[in-house]
Amino acid sequence: AQRVTQPEKLLSVFKGAPVELKCNYSYSGSPELFWYVQYSRQRLQLLLRHISRESIKGFTADLNKGETSFHLKKPFAQEEDSAMYYCALSTGGGNKLTFGTGTQLKVEL
Amino acid sequence: EAGVVQSPRYKIIEKKQPVAFWCNPISGHNTLYWYLQNLGQGPELLIRYENEEAVDDSQLPKDRFSAERLKGVDSTLKIQPAELGDSAVYLCASSSGTRGSGELFFGEGSRLTVL
Repeated sequence: AQRVTQPEKLLSVFKGAPVELKCNYSYSGSPELFWYVQYSRQRLQLLLRHISRESIKGFTADLNKGETSFHLKKPFAQEEDSAMYYCALSTGGGNKLTFGTGTQLKVEL
Repeated sequence: EAGVVQSPRYKIIEKKQPVAFWCNPISGHNTLYWYLQNLGQGPELLIRYENEEAVDDSQLPKDRFSAERLKGVDSTLKIQPAELGDSAVYLCASSSGTRGSGELFFGEGSRLTVL
């Protein structure tokens, strides 16, 4: 069965410091990975997907099949990055997503 | 565009009472999802509809939970009777169904408290 693991419940960094939110997955097939974000008092929304290989709001994520990881990175954290981040795995095509437990990112001044 | 609309936003009931949640997806989205989110956890899929057909309901506790999506648009999720452990946020989401796009549009959620 597929599984997504986010080992950190809370990550606190200072403004301007690098950020890395960890995500590991377990799936025997060809995975599609995503990061979703939920800002305070807002809806859960898509941040980025691995197939797009894009940078959104300065965030990037590379799929490492050898390490079964999809860590989210940003070189310089901003206060507005404070939010809840969920890693998600799509399997078997379609849009059936399995979410991790989430990491609360807190950027301190 | 209002996005995915859910109601009620908050509901407090006593155990053994019934409760229903309603969801209106984004216009034109043929795929609709109900997710359960417990405190401190990520969303967990309860049921997924393609138009009016439930294509994945393996995680729906069918002894007390039921869902319907009449006419392939709005959907209702019902719990009868509710138990203390059902206290959670119930999220509705929709997507255009494009294969592998992975973009689900979520509603604000319905927070249920069972006393």
